[in-house]
Amino acid sequence: AQSVTQPDIHITVSEGASLELRCNYSYGATPYLFWYVQSPGQGLQLLLKYFSGDTLVQGIKGFEAEFKRSQSSFNLRKPSVHWSDAAEYFCALLTGTASKLTFGTGTRLQVTL
Amino acid sequence: DGGITQSPKYLFRKEGQNVTLSCEQNLNHDAMYWYRQDPGQGLRLIYYSQIVNDFQKGDIAEGYSVSREKKESFPLTVTSAQKNPTAFYLCASSRRLAGIVNEQYFGPGTRLTVT
Repeated sequence: AQSVTQPDIHITVSEGASLELRCNYSYGATPYLFWYVQSPGQGLQLLLKYFSGDTLVQGIKGFEAEFKRSQSSFNLRKPSVHWSDAAEYFCALLTGTASKLTFGTGTRLQVTL
Repeated sequence: DGGITQSPKYLFRKEGQNVTLSCEQNLNHDAMYWYRQDPGQGLRLIYYSQIVNDFQKGDIAEGYSVSREKKESFPLTVTSAQKNPTAFYLCASSRRLAGIVNEQYFGPGTRLTVT
C-alpha cells in the first residue's frame, strides 16, 4: 500500500535562514507528488507539484522541491524563510485513477525573528 | 472568483444528532472529496465522487454519508454512528480529465465539535 512519511513533526528556523522539509513516499508505480501549506484553521493551498520531467520543480512563494526516485523522496526547500511562512506543510501522493491523495502527517514550521 | 465554499466555518452539535456539512464549488470540477483532519494525523479520505450520482467510500467512511445530486455540491452527513466526530473537515475538488494528473483544490474547512 502507498504511504507518505514526513519525519519531522516540528521545525523551527530563524527568519532569513534556509529551510528543507523532508518527505518520503512508498508507492509501486509512478508517483505524482504535491506539497500543500495550511495556515491555522484554514484550508490547504497547493505550493507545487511533480508529475514528470524535470526533477526540480518550482512553486509559489519561492518554494522548490526536488524529486529523487532513488531515495523515494520529495523534499521541499526555500533559500530564505520569511516569518509569514510559519504554517503546517503537507506532502501528498496521488494514486489511482480516482486521483486519491495520501497525505503525510505534516510538519509544523515555526519561524523565529 | 471561482472556488470552494464550505459552510458553516464552526459547527456545534450534541452527541447523538446527525449533522450535515455543506460543500459547494463553482470550478466546474467533476470530482469532489471529503477529508477529515485530526491533530498529528494528516488528512484522511472519507468519501469521494467522480461524477454526479456516483460516490465511493474512502479510508474512513464508517459513520458518514454523502450525496452527489448536483455537480456543484457534495454534502457530508456525520451520523450518530460516528464514534469520534469532533474534527476539522475539508472538502476538495479536481478536474477529471482522462490521461492527465489533476491536482485537488481545497475549501476553507468546517470545524465540527460534538459534545
